Amino acid sequence: AQSVTQPDIHITVSKGASLELRCNYSYGATPYLFWYVQSPGQGLQLLLKYFSGDTLVQGIKGFEAEFKRSQSSFNLRKPSVHWSDAAEYFCAVGAPPREYNTDKLIFGTGTRLQVFP
Amino acid sequence: GAVVSQHPSWVICKSGTSVKIECRSLDFQATTMFWYRQFPKQSLMLMATSNEGSKATYEQGVEKDKFLINHASLTLSTLTVTSAHPEDSSFYICSARDIRGGDEQFFGPGTRLTVL
Repeated sequence: AQSVTQPDIHITVSKGASLELRCNYSYGATPYLFWYVQSPGQGLQLLLKYFSGDTLVQGIKGFEAEFKRSQSSFNLRKPSVHWSDAAEYFCAVGAPPREYNTDKLIFGTGTRLQVFP
Repeated sequence: GAVVSQHPSWVICKSGTSVKIECRSLDFQATTMFWYRQFPKQSLMLMATSNEGSKATYEQGVEKDKFLINHASLTLSTLTVTSAHPEDSSFYICSARDIRGGDEQFFGPGTRLTVL
């Protein structure tokens, strides 16, 4: 079955501390992996994506993620968290549209990040 | 570039009425648009895939007659919630994929529907 698991529902970190949000996936094809951020009452903004190539991908706002096929993981990291990073983070997996004729994305349940002084 | 808008951003309606939500790609054309539903503090669930000029493809468990989708042009898809009830209250988000290719979906800001 295709699924995305984000084990941490809620994470609290101090401003300036490092951050790692976990994401594990189960997918029967070559996965396309995404991380999105959602501020309260807003839509989704793409942070980064992995299609192929270098397994460490850089995104916007200082985020990066590492694809580990052996662990079926795509964890999101940031070395120093800012106030403005407080939001909901979603990991998503999909198949290459042109190969599998589908655009369907499967989302994890999200991780809510709180930032404290 | 790659901006998707939704209108309205929020709507409150009485039970039994119908509500139309628009999703527009502002600076690109999209043959395919997607409609998601998000319950409070939960993830996004794909409701249907909307293809320009053809019928939408609905996910299992989504009522086609309840959630009418029309994709009349390459920049506009509409979702109509018919005979809305309080359990239809939710956050509805659309996304679109650029006709020129690429593998990324661009998301709209969402529409908050509250049915009284």
